[in-house]
Amino acid sequence: GDSVTQMEGPVTLSEEAFLTINCTYTATGYPSLFWYVQYPGEGLQLLLKATKADDKGSNKGFEATYRKETTSFHLEKGSVQVSDSAVYFCAPRGRTGNQFYFGTGTSLTVIP
Amino acid sequence: EAGVTQSPTHLIKTRGQQATLRCSPISGHTSVYWYQQALGLGLQFLLWYDEGEERNRGNFPPRFSGRQFPNYSSELNVNALELEDSALYLCASSLDRVYTGELFFGEGSRLTVL
Repeated sequence: GDSVTQMEGPVTLSEEAFLTINCTYTATGYPSLFWYVQYPGEGLQLLLKATKADDKGSNKGFEATYRKETTSFHLEKGSVQVSDSAVYFCAPRGRTGNQFYFGTGTSLTVIP
Repeated sequence: EAGVTQSPTHLIKTRGQQATLRCSPISGHTSVYWYQQALGLGLQFLLWYDEGEERNRGNFPPRFSGRQFPNYSSELNVNALELEDSALYLCASSLDRVYTGELFFGEGSRLTVL
């Protein structure tokens, strides 16, 4: 069945460091791919998405590219800020069953 | 525009009791999803309702059930509570079934089972 594997955390980075959070998936067909973020004390909110191969989603300085050949959707940011401290979830959405598959989440802490 | 709202924010129950959690989707959204977020386990899919019908359920026992009302709000019922049911229960709504669409989440109901 469909599934997603996300980089284990927690991740601690210094401010202005480069961030990569790996995400790979298995799915029937070609799903849409989403990254959600959960800031402390808040609900999940969409960070970015890509709906077809080679699409790049971007928001708030974060980027992720839909790589069909490697079934990956890695999240990157060139220079993290303290305000980026949160838990990040990778979530493919399959074309059948209308179901989102969430990764286990990667906790990021950015220190000044 | 109001977002997805959930109630109660916190709920404390004892083993064997029943819990009822409620969710109001964004106006115009017909699909409601329920997820369990237990510590260290990420989000586990519970139930999906659309147009008043249960469309899909995750790998949870039958004591997890719910329904969707004509106004598209939804409730999740957990019977015969067990300690491991302690978790944050998240509700999300979606405008349609198109696979490119996103989910909009509420802030969750935290259930503690003692």
